[in-house]
Amino acid sequence: AQSVTQLGSHVSVSEGALVLLRCNYSSSVPPYLFWYVQYPNQGLQLLLKYTSAATLVKGINGFEAEFKKSETSFHLTKPSAHMSDAAEYFCAVTKQTGANNLFFGTGTRLTVIP
Amino acid sequence: DAGVIQSPRHEVTEMGQEVTLRCKPISGHDYLFWYRQTMMRGLELLIYFNNNVPIDDSGMPEDRFSAKMPNASFSTLKIQPSEPRDSAVYFCASSSSPGQGRRGYTFGSGTRLTVV
Repeated sequence: AQSVTQLGSHVSVSEGALVLLRCNYSSSVPPYLFWYVQYPNQGLQLLLKYTSAATLVKGINGFEAEFKKSETSFHLTKPSAHMSDAAEYFCAVTKQTGANNLFFGTGTRLTVIP
Repeated sequence: DAGVIQSPRHEVTEMGQEVTLRCKPISGHDYLFWYRQTMMRGLELLIYFNNNVPIDDSGMPEDRFSAKMPNASFSTLKIQPSEPRDSAVYFCASSSSPGQGRRGYTFGSGTRLTVV
């Protein structure tokens, strides 16, 4: 079975500060991992994904995430927060083979303080 | 491509009424998923289809919920009768195989359902 745990349902950072959103996964088989962003009153938009190529993955809007198998983590980072980054962020996992249901975490709401 | 299209964007209905939510997946995508999002439960997978065939409906809350996909370009999620606890945002998403797992999903903008 696959699952993800997002630590911290709310994260606040100052504009220009480092953004770190935590995601730990559980999977009995090699996973694919994803980060999605949801802006208010909108659907989920794919931010970046790990598909077993490079362990450091770069996404849109300056975000990146690093797959660390030893830590079963896939934390999302951005060096300098912008006001437009305020949104809810979801980590998700699926198997690399077989049925490919995405299992989502509970989400982390990011607030950027001016 | 117009993306995944959901209608209506907002629906307000009275308890006991039938509600039908609609989804048009991206052309060529052969997987379609229905999710429900609430504050209490987060994102829940209700049902998904592959090539118009329901594969897993274990997430459908109860018999009041039903979903169909009569063709590759259209799916419906129906609630009959609706109850206030069904109030949520319902998302449709689609993806394509092979390797659909690695592509992730493309989500629609959602339907916000309010049952009063």
